[in-house]
Amino acid sequence: LAKTTQPISMDSYEGQEVNITCSHNNIATNDYITWYQQFPSQGPRFIIQGYKTKVTNEVASLFIPADRKSSTLSLPRVSLSDTAVYYCLVGDINSGNTPLVFGKGTRLSVIA
Amino acid sequence: EPEVTQTPSHQVTQMGQEVILRCVPISNHLYFYWYRQILGQKVEFLVSFYNNEISEKSEIFDDQFSVERPDGSNFTLKIRSTKLEDSAMYFCASHRTPTPADTQYFGPGTRLTVL
Repeated sequence: LAKTTQPISMDSYEGQEVNITCSHNNIATNDYITWYQQFPSQGPRFIIQGYKTKVTNEVASLFIPADRKSSTLSLPRVSLSDTAVYYCLVGDINSGNTPLVFGKGTRLSVIA
Repeated sequence: EPEVTQTPSHQVTQMGQEVILRCVPISNHLYFYWYRQILGQKVEFLVSFYNNEISEKSEIFDDQFSVERPDGSNFTLKIRSTKLEDSAMYFCASHRTPTPADTQYFGPGTRLTVL
């Protein structure tokens, strides 16, 4: 499993764009990159997933450079309700029935 | 949107007692998981379950733990003799198929407090 490294915490004001970068230097050819969000006392929730280049959905964008050794989760115009822990996970696309391995994540605090 | 549900939301028990945590996965899902999160720590994998048997388990999942799918909808985690260190949030998760990168859906969790 590729090891991931993320900042422990980040602060942002409401309305700003937040970019959280995850480093995964040992990512393998078959690995996907997935981001989950966890609010206090709730289960993790899937945000976005990608393999290369850019993926966008209604919640976030995910930027993956050509070497795939890092990825950046971009949250546009955050609000107080985006305060949560964000986890970057890397896993083999050919192993769908595999447990998720969570790191410590990045604790995002959005300030009014 | 369909969701994973868990009961109870909070369980308080005395050390040494047995507890059963219940989960109802999304109805057309086939792969089930239990994770736990001790306060302030990482989410940790306990066990995965498919086709009425355990697929994989972590070293945390020792003989005091067991899982069962007693009917077509429920998925349970039993802790036979609880210890203080079992106090944690327990999350059930499920997904539909083993296709690559299928999303796991998590329940809201059961907070277990062992006194």
